[in-house]
Amino acid sequence: QSALTQPASVSGSPGQSITISCTGSSSDVGGYNYVSWYQQHPGKAPKLMIYDVSNRPSGVSNRFSGSKSGNTASLTISGLQAEDEADYYCSSYTRRNTLGVFGTGTKVTVL
Amino acid sequence: QVQLVESGGGVVQPGGSLRLSCEASGFTFTTYGMHWVRQAPGKGLEWVAFIRYDGSNKYYADSVKGRFTISRDNSKNTLYLQMNSLTAEDTAVYYCAKDPGYYGSGSYWRDYWGQGTLVTVSS
Repeated sequence: QSALTQPASVSGSPGQSITISCTGSSSDVGGYNYVSWYQQHPGKAPKLMIYDVSNRPSGVSNRFSGSKSGNTASLTISGLQAEDEADYYCSSYTRRNTLGVFGTGTKVTVL
Repeated sequence: QVQLVESGGGVVQPGGSLRLSCEASGFTFTTYGMHWVRQAPGKGLEWVAFIRYDGSNKYYADSVKGRFTISRDNSKNTLYLQMNSLTAEDTAVYYCAKDPGYYGSGSYWRDYWGQGTLVTVSS
């Protein structure tokens, strides 16, 4: 099962906005509105940030937003803060495995 | 609040076995499916296995099929992962994670995760 493709790293200055992409195919990202995003700080458990492309769980800052266009989903972090420095993973429903596939992960650095 | 606490990790020789546990609290364990997800050192996340709320259906990643068995004891609010025929490629932090679907058949996303337990396969 091939992982979804994410950029290895993205960086930005405090207060800026950054966008992390998650590219798949018509069998996963492009075929369904079922994409989720997780934040993981070093040595910590993943935390759900977005589900079903653009829905935020209760308690997640509205600085985090999700979207999708074609086979690529995106996570945007606006008003970047030092605490946002972490690894981010996308996940998508896939025709081949309804329990999902993860992305390769992106390290976000706050300059 | 939802809490998931994994245990049972450690160092095991290639070919050996290990059983992981995950004790759940803060939600009605008997009504939600549960997942195991692993993360090799410095690598990304990999879904391992899923079990329905009542244990009636179980699903596995191809990489562990035939070697790992997921199970649950709803009377103890505990999830398990029996791992046999371990290889170095199984070295990872193993997380248990809650499925968001109430009486569901399994979702592509997980709403709560434990802190993980490290399994090291080495001679």
